[in-house]
Amino acid sequence: GQQLNQSPQSMFIQEGEDVSMNCTSSSIFNTWLWYKQDPGEGPVLLIALYKAGELTSNGRLTAQFGITRKDSFLNISASIPSDVGIYFCAGHQVNQGGKLIFGQGTELSVKP
Amino acid sequence: DTAVSQTPKYLVTQMGNDKSIKCEQNLGHDTMYWYKQDSKKFLKIMFSYNNKELIINETVPNRFSPKSPDKAHLNLHINSLELGDSAVYFCASSQVIGWKHFGDGTRLTVT
Repeated sequence: GQQLNQSPQSMFIQEGEDVSMNCTSSSIFNTWLWYKQDPGEGPVLLIALYKAGELTSNGRLTAQFGITRKDSFLNISASIPSDVGIYFCAGHQVNQGGKLIFGQGTELSVKP
Repeated sequence: DTAVSQTPKYLVTQMGNDKSIKCEQNLGHDTMYWYKQDSKKFLKIMFSYNNKELIINETVPNRFSPKSPDKAHLNLHINSLELGDSAVYFCASSQVIGWKHFGDGTRLTVT
């Protein structure tokens, strides 16, 4: 089935560092989303992007919808220990009935 | 108040058994979903219901049968469980495209 290529797969960083992760696809998406999953819980939506070129922030998080509509990135600035978790990108295409295609996830570890 | 709640949280059972997972949302959303997360954390959609009507069925074995008695509930029944069915199953709901609210998952272990 269709997949999004998300990288990196995992990151080990020091508290206070900035983090960047991205997703690419060979197909066009009309919505890009970023989710975070904590252990034992379901994914929680962080940022939703609806227009090509859109740059949106949510606190220390910033995400962009690529101009080609085939990619997106998520930046986290000044990481803190509670940023630990798995981050997923997800894309939605027109006429797919709400179906999201997910990336493989980026597992973030933050060392205090 | 929990927005999307699934029961049970953990389910351990033997191969060949039949089991059900229940999901309820109190957000007033029209659309509900079942996703499967495998051991590598990959999330894949299984089913989607809109106002009790099936709209997505993603090449899932017909041992899996969703049922939506009303738009606030979407249950998943699995017949003749196999080892490969072991995974975390997430229920989700949405009103606007993308803004999915996920439950906390049901961890199914088939022995």
